[in-house]
Amino acid sequence: QKEVEQNSGPLSVPEGAIASLNCTYSDRVSQSFFWYRQYSGKSPELIMSIYSNGDKEDGRFTAQLNKASQYVSLLIRDSQPSDSATYLCAVNMLTNDYKLSFGAGTTVTVRA
Amino acid sequence: SAVISQKPSRDICQRGTSLTIQCQVDSQVTMMFWYRQQPGQSLTLIATANQGSEATYESGFVIDKFPISRPNLTFSTLTVSNMSPEDSSIYLCSVEDRANTGELFFGEGSRLTVL
Repeated sequence: QKEVEQNSGPLSVPEGAIASLNCTYSDRVSQSFFWYRQYSGKSPELIMSIYSNGDKEDGRFTAQLNKASQYVSLLIRDSQPSDSATYLCAVNMLTNDYKLSFGAGTTVTVRA
Repeated sequence: SAVISQKPSRDICQRGTSLTIQCQVDSQVTMMFWYRQQPGQSLTLIATANQGSEATYESGFVIDKFPISRPNLTFSTLTVSNMSPEDSSIYLCSVEDRANTGELFFGEGSRLTVL
């Protein structure tokens, strides 16, 4: 089992719709979870961090964490063409000395 | 967040040569991390560089191939030695958020193409 798994893409959504990105992780004691956005040819940019169960909202982005299910998600509301990018889920894992483990990423395309 | 500068931003290299990537941070940081992102792939940690000590390498990465220097708290270099086409990747320098939240911030990356 991969340490951090994301739903396979690419994900294509129309402008204005909600994009839903999912991520599961293998280390039950992980405490810190992050979503990064990476535009083509650019480096990853942190967009959300979440540490407690529940929802965390920041503008059009909502991160949801369920530690019991070892699941973290990212919702992008009112998707815009500028949201077209690859989204990387990252988890601090005890099994990796608390270093960040990254998922393979989900590529999102927002259709105008 | 820290401002992280990397150079070169890109280079085309010949097989068998070596290239050194520099990473400069605008503030003092304890640990600096070097990642590799192969085409179409996610990020893989190469090593963690602490000032004043040997870098710690992840499984699959060795010092002879990826020597790292960390002469002070704001600077590090990664050398990719004896390059082959399989080393064609983006190499990223990163540092942790000062509040120790676990958040990582990345430099712009160095895109290497090995012919």
